[in-house]
Amino acid sequence: EVQLVESGGGVVRPGGSLRLSCAASGFNFDDSGMNWVRQPPGKGLEWVSDINWNGGRIGYAESVKGRFTISRDNAKNSLYLQMNSLRAEDTALYYCARDGRHCSDGVCYSGGYMDVWGKGTTVTVSS
Amino acid sequence: SYVLTQPPSVSVAPGQTARITCGGNNIGSKGVHWYQQKPGQAPVLVVYDDSDRPSGIPERFSGSNSGNTATLTISRVEAGDEADYYCQVWDSSSDSRVFGGGTKLTVL
Repeated sequence: EVQLVESGGGVVRPGGSLRLSCAASGFNFDDSGMNWVRQPPGKGLEWVSDINWNGGRIGYAESVKGRFTISRDNAKNSLYLQMNSLRAEDTALYYCARDGRHCSDGVCYSGGYMDVWGKGTTVTVSS
Repeated sequence: SYVLTQPPSVSVAPGQTARITCGGNNIGSKGVHWYQQKPGQAPVLVVYDDSDRPSGIPERFSGSNSGNTATLTISRVEAGDEADYYCQVWDSSSDSRVFGGGTKLTVL
């Protein structure tokens, strides 16, 4: 079964740091691009960051650029999000999501969408 | 940055057809993807690349995209379709993924 399980959420004070993890199983993690998407309480989805299969290409939303760092360990089938200088507006449910791919003649590239999602981990930034 | 505009809510009676729009500047030139999110659950991909369905998604879900508007169409709506729906694109100019604000579908 394809599965993503997030962990590492919690309550942190403004200016603090937190590291989220996402454990992947049931698919070839080292072939897949990955994403972090967040959802503030009662609000919509916001893409946070993505990383390609080998970490050679990384992207961030403007709202987190310079504060958050995405990384992965393919040997451990794990995705991470290091969050520094946290603000109240970073309070949200954080989802890990797999990149959907387009493949042709054995060559695959990101389809720009997210085809598998975890259940999320909650981050609360509050004094 | 690229902006996607969705109506906050759409209501439809069971058995009827629901249409949820997603507006964006020349969105027809982009691939549009749609997600369904039921209360307390993670989003689920229901349409990708404008009109393709992942395996397991009923044929009742379809999509189209042209000009400045993409549309998710749900035929023969059921009570279980009641959820929030989000459109999403990849914006090449900012190299980022963008979500619409979401539409709450209410089945009357």
